[in-house]
Amino acid sequence: DAKTTQPTSMDCAEGRAANLPCNHSTISGNEYVYWYRQIHSQGPQYIIHGLKNNETNEMASLIITEDRKSSTLILPHATLRDTAVYYCIPISNFGNEKLTFGTGTRLTIIP
Amino acid sequence: GAVVSQHPSWVICKSGTSVKIECRSLDFQATTMFWYRQFPKQSLMLMATSNEGSKATYEQGVEKDKFLINHASLTLSTLTVTSAHPEDSSFYICSARRTELIEETQYFGPGTRLLVL
Repeated sequence: DAKTTQPTSMDCAEGRAANLPCNHSTISGNEYVYWYRQIHSQGPQYIIHGLKNNETNEMASLIITEDRKSSTLILPHATLRDTAVYYCIPISNFGNEKLTFGTGTRLTIIP
Repeated sequence: GAVVSQHPSWVICKSGTSVKIECRSLDFQATTMFWYRQFPKQSLMLMATSNEGSKATYEQGVEKDKFLINHASLTLSTLTVTSAHPEDSSFYICSARRTELIEETQYFGPGTRLLVL
């Protein structure tokens, strides 16, 4: 069974906020939620991660539900350079777990 | 943010030759690095975990004698594709695990595109 469920694809208008949902209903108590993105023909880029509190950095905001079964990545003002495949990955720290990539969400920013 | 580099960014070689790809963590030390492979229109697949000073751990189905991994220092891991064949043509991506206090984050290199003729 997949650990996460994400929409296959989404479109967002340039300049608007892009909200990318992720369902991780089987997440363990010690697992963080990490978000990465992969722009075409590049290596994945780390975006943000969180455990249970909402997080914000210069790239994005991460909203995690209180029961931790789902989260939303928010790109506040999407630009064309944000077009990429976005991956939500639950993983524990210090458990020798390996980062496993699913199919992610293909986000297309429309001019 | 943490920077991971890869060299070369792309390589074309003849079938039967060996190709070495370097992965460096530029501004942090990484005890553990990872090697992934990505075929067109597919997601990244983990090939192996590279631990500094010890043998790499390979994922099921990955031939350790074909994909030689060396992690001789805390900032460098190398992947050598031995006797490359056209089916080895792929996008190879490394990552390095950075530890800050109690949290760990993997940072990825830009990838190396290998074409075997």
